[in-house]
Amino acid sequence: DQQVKQNSPSLSVQEGRISILNCDYTNSMFDYFLWYKKYPAEGPTFLISISSIKDKNEDGRFTVFLNKSAKHLSLHIVPSQPGDSAVYFCAASRMAGANNLFFGTGTRLTVIP
Amino acid sequence: DAGVTQSPTHLIKTRGQQVTLRCSPISGHKSVSWYQQVLGQGPQFIFQYYEKEERGRGNFPDRFSARQFPNYSSELNVNALLLGDSALYLCASSPGPGQYEQYFGPGTRLTVT
Repeated sequence: DQQVKQNSPSLSVQEGRISILNCDYTNSMFDYFLWYKKYPAEGPTFLISISSIKDKNEDGRFTVFLNKSAKHLSLHIVPSQPGDSAVYFCAASRMAGANNLFFGTGTRLTVIP
Repeated sequence: DAGVTQSPTHLIKTRGQQVTLRCSPISGHKSVSWYQQVLGQGPQFIFQYYEKEERGRGNFPDRFSARQFPNYSSELNVNALLLGDSALYLCASSPGPGQYEQYFGPGTRLTVT
C-alpha cells in the first residue's frame, strides 16, 4: 500500500527554467513532509521540509507547497541548474510512534544545459 | 563534521547466509533508522532505534534484526538471506524522537546470489 506517490518517473527541464516535482499522499495522519535528492552511489540528501500547519516553505531556489485538502505537495526549483539533475524523493512522516519516513518512488530530474 | 558512515560499501552473499551491516550516526545524534531500497523504489523503513531501544519496526520478517550500542552506532542483521534481499541498505540518523529530518549515509549495496 503506497501511501506516498510520485506519479512522474522522470522530468526534463531546460537550464534556467522552473522544475516542478509533484507528490500525492493518502494518509491524513501525516503531519510533516520532506524532499530528498539522491545522486547515484550516494544516500539521499535532505533538501527542504514543510510542516502540515504551513502551506509554503522557501529555501533559496527551492520552494515546497502543501495543499492539505488535496493531499498534494510540490517542489519548485527556480532557476534549474544542471547540478540539480538527480532523483528526487518525496517523504512523509507523523509525530506518533517512530516518526519514520514513508517515501515515494522518486522522480528523475534532468536539467538540460 | 563527519556525516553518517556505513560499512561495508558493497557485499556479495549467497542464499541462506547471514549478513551484518554497520552504521555510525552523526556525532550528537541518538536515533538511528534503517531503510531498504530496491531498484526503482523509494526507501522502505525497517527499524528505528533511540537510546538503544527499538522505537519502531516496518513490515519486514523476523529474519531482520538490529541493535544500537551505547555509542549510538547500530548494526542490522539479516539471516537466511533470500535473493529478494538484494538491495541498497540505508542508515539514517537524527537527534532524537520528534526530529523529523533524517540524515542518510551512503548505503551498503547487498547482492545475494
